[in-house]
Amino acid sequence: QKEVEQDPGPLSVPEGAIVSLNCTYSNSAFQYFMWYRQYSRKGPELLMYTYSSGNKEDGRFTAQVDKSSKYISLFIRDSQPSDSATYLCAMSGNTGGFKTIFGAGTRLFVKA
Amino acid sequence: NAGVTQTPKFRILKIGQSMTLQCTQDMNHNYMYWYRQDPGMGLKLIYYSVGAGITDKGEVPNGYNVSRSTTEDFPLRLELAAPSQTSVYFCASRTSQGGEQFFGPGTRLTVL
Repeated sequence: QKEVEQDPGPLSVPEGAIVSLNCTYSNSAFQYFMWYRQYSRKGPELLMYTYSSGNKEDGRFTAQVDKSSKYISLFIRDSQPSDSATYLCAMSGNTGGFKTIFGAGTRLFVKA
Repeated sequence: NAGVTQTPKFRILKIGQSMTLQCTQDMNHNYMYWYRQDPGMGLKLIYYSVGAGITDKGEVPNGYNVSRSTTEDFPLRLELAAPSQTSVYFCASRTSQGGEQFFGPGTRLTVL
């Protein structure tokens, strides 16, 4: 079993839709949970960063962490064509140099 | 403040050749990381460093070596390049308090 599982998609939605992206994980030691956005031929950029369980909102983006279910989600409201990218979930503990494990990434296409 | 810079941007190697991928950060971050990303896959950790003179292996270290003589620089050495090392390589850094990883723009390497 992989430490982090993420559906690679692709996911195609119309402009204005609510997008839900999810990851599951197996390591209960993970405490930091992140979502990165990666445009084609670019490096990943951090979207959301959450410590432990709970919700975090930033503009159109909401991240949820449920440690009891080992499940994290990213919601994008009012999706825009500029949101078309690959979204990577990532998580780490607080030992070993904060080594981060990444999901495979979900490719999202938002159609105008 | 340039952040994390990587050189070269692109490189084609022949089987058996060697090369060094350069990574420099100007944020005075103690922690630095090297990842590889294969098509449709997430990032896999190759090596990481928690400070000058300290390095450790990640998930996929075979065929690579690193050194960390200064806080700013974290070069990745490929010895005896193999086609399996064809990938995009990303360098990243963060503070020792955890938090956001900052990524470089990547180096696209092809081994023929």
